[in-house]
Formats: sequence, structure tokens, C-alpha cells
Amino acid sequence: GAGVSQSPSNKVTEKGKDVELRCDPISGHTALYWYRQSLGQGLEFLIYFQGNSAPDKSGLPSDRFSAERTGGSVSTLTIQRTQQEDSAVYLCASSPDSGGTDTQYFGPGTRLTVL
Amino acid sequence: QKEVEQNSGPLSVPEGAIASLNCTYSDRGSQSFFWYRQYSGKSPELIMSIYSNGDKEDGRFTAQLNKASQYVSLLIRDSQPSDSATYLCAVNERVDGTASKLTFGTGTRLQVTL
Repeated sequence: GAGVSQSPSNKVTEKGKDVELRCDPISGHTALYWYRQSLGQGLEFLIYFQGNSAPDKSGLPSDRFSAERTGGSVSTLTIQRTQQEDSAVYLCASSPDSGGTDTQYFGPGTRLTVL
Repeated sequence: QKEVEQNSGPLSVPEGAIASLNCTYSDRGSQSFFWYRQYSGKSPELIMSIYSNGDKEDGRFTAQLNKASQYVSLLIRDSQPSDSATYLCAVNERVDGTASKLTFGTGTRLQVTL
């Protein structure tokens, strides 16, 4: 079946502009995660959804970052007034439930470049 | 702050040798442990999961878990150049009563030399 998909695959934007990144999880997966990975760095947790609610938003680096999930499926990560330090690969993952015992399946990521 | 620690490497092993990758974690309540492999420019992909103390083998890969020592490792036997990648250790962390999330280490870069 189809895996996790993300769009766009690449996004180049100017400093100060807003961007929206989209994630389509595997069908039926209730848990959805957003991570950020800067060049040569590890995975930085941003936010986690169980259904449409977000039990853990602790990783969002500033109030410029927000995310929502509708219909228990598609999620959008929005970055307002982008800064150069926001440049990174943004990865989305989904898993069948929120228990943490299930494997997370990653999408291909969106590479964001802020000029 | 829950932590997952890995040596960043690079860990260099000759082709055919055993590669040993190690990870320690701080949350004693963690129940699930994962090893992901990430090739440069690609997304992480699952290699192994382990939930109980002891060893779990899958082909050339063996995951080892010691909850008392808060230690999990990955052994790769008969290492191949195609195993050259960054290996990420991930540990589940409770968010609230029912939910949890994975915390990732920064990864160990493995280089398998000819």
C-alpha cells in the first residue's frame, strides 16, 4: 500500500514569508509525528498528533510554528515569518497507534530552504 | 528532559567484520526500542524493534536490550559496504497516561571499508 507522502518535496522561500508543509499519513494510522532534521544533525521532535488532537506540542521551537490535523488524516505544518535557521528537512511519520510500541513510518521529507 | 545518547562516530569497520552500535537512554519507564537506518539524503527506515530484555536476531542484525543498565545495542554481522549509513536509536517516552512518543538519538555514522 501507499506509504507516508509529503509535499512539497522541496521548498525555497524568502525570509519573512509563510510556508505550509503537508503530510499524508498511511491510511488508518492514528498517530502522526513531525520532526525536523538540520544538515548533519539528529531528528528533532516537533509535535505529535493522536487523531486530531496534539497531546505533545513541546517540540515546536517558537510560536511561529503551528500544526493541525483534520479528519484524523492529513496534517499541515505552518511556519510563519520564516527565518534562515528554519532551513532543514521536515519529516513526517505515522504509526498505527499512539502507544509508542508501534513502528513509525517516515515520509520522504520536505527540504525547506530559507534565503 | 528524556535523553537518548549515541556515539556520533564515525565507526569504521572492515567488510565482513561485526559492527557494534550502542545506545543509552535515561527514561526507566521506556518499553519500546527501535533501530533505524538513514542513508544520506534519505528518510529513516526501521531495522529492528525490541521490547524485552535479551537478544533479538533478524538476519545479519541482532538487537540487544538491557533495561537494568538502560542500554540497547545493534550488532551487524558480516558488514557490507551497503550497511554504511547513520544508525538512529529510538526509545519510547510517555507523554501522558496512554500516549507516548519516540525520542531519537543523534545517530552513529557507520562506515564499512573494503
